[in-house]
Amino acid sequence: QVQLVQSGAEVKKPGASVKVSCKAFGYDFTNYDVNWVRQATGQGLEWMGWTNPKNGDTGYAQKFKGRVTFSRNTSISTAYMELSSLKYEDTAVYYCAREGSGWDGADLWGQGTLVTVSS
Amino acid sequence: QSVLTQPPSASGTPGQRVTISCSGSSSNIRSNHVFWYQQLPGTAPKLLIYRNNERPSGVPGRFSGSKSVTSASLAISGLRSEDEADYYCAAWDDSLSGWVFGGGTKLTVL
Repeated sequence: QVQLVQSGAEVKKPGASVKVSCKAFGYDFTNYDVNWVRQATGQGLEWMGWTNPKNGDTGYAQKFKGRVTFSRNTSISTAYMELSSLKYEDTAVYYCAREGSGWDGADLWGQGTLVTVSS
Repeated sequence: QSVLTQPPSASGTPGQRVTISCSGSSSNIRSNHVFWYQQLPGTAPKLLIYRNNERPSGVPGRFSGSKSVTSASLAISGLRSEDEADYYCAAWDDSLSGWVFGGGTKLTVL
């Protein structure tokens, strides 16, 4: 079955880092970019950036540059998002989403990972 | 403050036609395709419209998209109770070199 499965919920202290994984099933992981989008409770969608699993290229939203790192392990079809220096306002659900190369949109989303920043 | 502007809410009765607007600028909507996502309560977003007016397989024909200069619209005809959800527009922004979203519109089926 074609799907993206993300890692489980995390609780972190301010200043810590969190690493969320996104494992692809049922399609060639290297043929689609992976975008990361987050959503605070009751708020809208916020794009964080993208990564190309084939060559490792990345692009980060200006707001997160220097604080977020995308990586991938093609042998296990998994993409990772690591966010450092966590603040209370980073509490959100983090989604990964695959995107085709032809302006096809983000047609497959993970189930989301809740990251809670709390002391 | 979102780069793309949507009304925070919309409503309609079953069977009605509703439209949701999305306003942008020359660096996003005017220059690039518009996408629409539907987010049902407690679930991940789902692609509803791509490249302004294309529907992925499985999306009913009741949903349609359009674009004109720096604005776009999502139309839902024959409104059904299961259409009650949040709707987001999105576009690539050339100035920001990234995807931008609207703030979302909560659709209520009365």
